[in-house]
Amino acid sequence: KNEVEQSPQNLTAQEGEFITINCSYSVGISALHWLQQHPGGGIVSLFMLSSGKKKHGRLIATINIQEKHSSLHITASHPRDSAVYICAVRSGETSGSRLTFGEGTQLTVNP
Amino acid sequence: KAGVTQTPRYLIKTRGQQVTLSCSPISGHRSVSWYQQTPGQGLQFLFEYFSETQRNKGNFPGRFSGRQFSNSRSEMNVSTLELGDSALYLCASSLSRGRRYGYTFGSGTRLTVV
Repeated sequence: KNEVEQSPQNLTAQEGEFITINCSYSVGISALHWLQQHPGGGIVSLFMLSSGKKKHGRLIATINIQEKHSSLHITASHPRDSAVYICAVRSGETSGSRLTFGEGTQLTVNP
Repeated sequence: KAGVTQTPRYLIKTRGQQVTLSCSPISGHRSVSWYQQTPGQGLQFLFEYFSETQRNKGNFPGRFSGRQFSNSRSEMNVSTLELGDSALYLCASSLSRGRRYGYTFGSGTRLTVV
């Protein structure tokens, strides 16, 4: 079992739909990151969370430390949101930190 | 403000050769980490450097090495290349170490080993 599990692996939505991507992890973490990767490879950091909820434009990220679970929501989805969304957890602060990644969720938003 | 710059963007090498990839962090960022992305294994952590010292290393063979210079620029080296080393190599910079600091990623170097 991977330390970071994402669901779904693939998601197709119609423009305007509300989207949720889930991330569960099994290790102790110091922070959780949501990343966006477009074709071509470049990665953009969307959120860094250690508790609670953050909002940026149409994107909302939440984390429940007790449940070891985070969600990324996209409201009023748009074709330009089509990308791979990756959950990454930061751990090992005392021994040297590292990021461990989920497998990613391929999101396609159709007009 | 310039982002994280990785060079070269694309590289084709032959099995058995070695390769050096470069990463220039955002000005003022002192921590650089490296990652390998392949279709089969996804994104995996390679190393983290801070103040010219390797602070952490992922589960990769000794053929993978790196270093960081006094200006925080970092290089990673892969010796005796194997076909399985074909991947997108990404680096990320951070202002400092510690969980309060986020990451800014470069566009990556796509290495193809033939």
